[in-house]
Amino acid sequence: DAGVIQSPRHEVTEMGQEVTLRCKPISGHDYLFWYRQTMMRGLELLIYFNNNVPIDDSGMPEDRFSAKMPNASFSTLKIQPSEPRDSAVYFCASSLGTGVTNEKLFFGSGTQLSVL
Amino acid sequence: SQKIEQNSEALNIQEGKTATLTCNYTNYSPAYLQWYRQDPGRGPVFLLLIRENEKEKRKERLKVTFDTTLKQSLFHITASQPADSATYLCALDSPAAYDKVIFGPGTSLSVIP
Repeated sequence: DAGVIQSPRHEVTEMGQEVTLRCKPISGHDYLFWYRQTMMRGLELLIYFNNNVPIDDSGMPEDRFSAKMPNASFSTLKIQPSEPRDSAVYFCASSLGTGVTNEKLFFGSGTQLSVL
Repeated sequence: SQKIEQNSEALNIQEGKTATLTCNYTNYSPAYLQWYRQDPGRGPVFLLLIRENEKEKRKERLKVTFDTTLKQSLFHITASQPADSATYLCALDSPAAYDKVIFGPGTSLSVIP
């Protein structure tokens, strides 16, 4: 398997524009997580899905952020409108949850987002 | 609310020595704890998982302990090498749900030749 695939690798956009980040999890994994990483706040959990259903989106900063998982092999994280403070590295991760505890997470390479 | 803390400062050690990183948590009892390694420009990579009923776990030069009384995990790298230089993150299940994985701030380790 190719691992978790994220695109784009880098995104530079202007304030107010819509940004869409994409993720393809490892085939067969039940869980998909979206994290955001900054120097100040570290790795923050934004939202996670189990079997394509959003379980907890309490980490989503505000209504400008939305995430979808239309099928088991694809998820998107959308920011509309984007702001400079959204600049960060966004990671997608997937795992084969046991239903009791979550086993190891496999991370993608991340999307480096810069909002000017 | 729950809080996860790791070594506040970067850790510099001499090659060949044992590196010890700490992960402390407050206000809850996680069911498990994981350790990840992150290199610059890359996503975290899983290293070890230890459950609440386990005291210690080993994998090659790595050893993890889990003290639920002290609410602390220690991560040891023996016979450290410059290639071990990276940021190390601990991760725990959230008190909200066993399958919600949250991360500590990480500790930057530099192994000096």
